[in-house]
Amino acid sequence: ETGVTQTPRHLVMGMTNKKSLKCEQHLGHNAMYWYKQSAKKPLELMFVYNFKEQTENNSVPSRFSPECPNSSHLFLHLHTLQPEDSALYLCASSQGQGGNNQPQHFGDGTRLSIL
Amino acid sequence: AQKVTQAQTEISVVEKEDVTLDCVYETRDTTYYLFWYKQPPSGELVFLIRRNSFDEQNEISGRYSWNFQKSTSSFNFTITASQVVDSAVYFCALSGILNTDKLIFGTGTRLQVFP
Repeated sequence: ETGVTQTPRHLVMGMTNKKSLKCEQHLGHNAMYWYKQSAKKPLELMFVYNFKEQTENNSVPSRFSPECPNSSHLFLHLHTLQPEDSALYLCASSQGQGGNNQPQHFGDGTRLSIL
Repeated sequence: AQKVTQAQTEISVVEKEDVTLDCVYETRDTTYYLFWYKQPPSGELVFLIRRNSFDEQNEISGRYSWNFQKSTSSFNFTITASQVVDSAVYFCALSGILNTDKLIFGTGTRLQVFP
């Protein structure tokens, strides 16, 4: 059983819909991440939160809006997405900054398809 | 700039064969960390190993072994006596000491192990 849980596993939505992806970690970590994984491309870091504060926004379009209400939960709100946004969205968590680059633990991902 | 190159897009082997997955990295940091992750069809990235740039000792864990060579900026991963369950996409990743949250991933190598 993974320590990082993502829901839903699959999501199909139209370009005008609003939906949210949810991530929950049960590992006691203080950093959480959103990644986008598209075919034939490296994983792209989207957002990083440390102790609920956003510390990284990797030039992500505003149609993606993250929310981190506490260190255990992370959301990605989606609005007016484009077909090229279809991808696997992965959430991860880690012990966070501290100079020793602790490994990130990933969830199973949400497979998003934009019609 | 930091970069990770996994030149092998896809490798196919027959069970019990040994297989080596290549990883070459670029960084100007003198201290950095290297990682390998496994992504089975379920989607979750599974952490395999983290290596500090100061530790060039090779590591063995069961059928898995890693060869870190700073002189060639490589961190190769060998699976001995491969099994069907090893079939997955394997990612090599790099993070620096200043941006401990930023994992730079390679494009991955898809390994297929046939019975």
